[in-house]
Amino acid sequence: KAGVTQTPRYLIKTRGQQVTLSCSPISGHRSVSWYQQTPGQGLQFLFEYFSETQRNKGNFPGRFSGRQFSNSRSEMNVSTLELGDSALYLCASRTGLAGRGSYEQYFGPGTRLTVT
Amino acid sequence: AQKITQTQPGMFVQEKEAVTLDCTYDTSDQSYGLFWYKQPSSGEMIFLIYQGSYDEQNATEGRYSLNFQKARKSANLVISASQLGDSAMYFCATHGNTDKLIFGTGTRLQVFP
Repeated sequence: KAGVTQTPRYLIKTRGQQVTLSCSPISGHRSVSWYQQTPGQGLQFLFEYFSETQRNKGNFPGRFSGRQFSNSRSEMNVSTLELGDSALYLCASRTGLAGRGSYEQYFGPGTRLTVT
Repeated sequence: AQKITQTQPGMFVQEKEAVTLDCTYDTSDQSYGLFWYKQPSSGEMIFLIYQGSYDEQNATEGRYSLNFQKARKSANLVISASQLGDSAMYFCATHGNTDKLIFGTGTRLQVFP
């Protein structure tokens, strides 16, 4: 079974631009979560989607948004990029259904965003 | 609110030896889970092991075991027979009633020959 895939793997943007990152979950997984990892703040939860609905949201400004499609693929968008948005963005998927193993989250390789 | 504390910024272990990475947690949720992830320099977070708060037996996955002591709120990871490829950052994390994972600051493990 293929793992979680994220595209692109690396991205360089300039301040003020916007960016869209993509995540394809493991086949059959319906829940997708996004995390930001920086040296200063560590790993922080951005948001979680299940069946195209946002179920949870972290403490990030409105410039960070996301969505999920009917095939469970998810995108996150960051508008008006700031230097502080430079980070590794990780997405994780899980089944989202009840049962043994339902809480196990599997991460993709991440997208490394650099804002200059 | 949930919190994970990893007090060991770095650990060294000799190849083939066992090592314990410490993790303590704080949560007000009745039901919760604890994770350990490995992050090599490539950046990918690799799932290692999961323990649910109601699981009575400690979780094990191959060379990894989670020493769960509920009363002490600790969830230490034990790696037996360390290998050079185990060198990486290790993160402890918890979830409560939602999918949101709260991570600790991590422990950098270095395995030497």
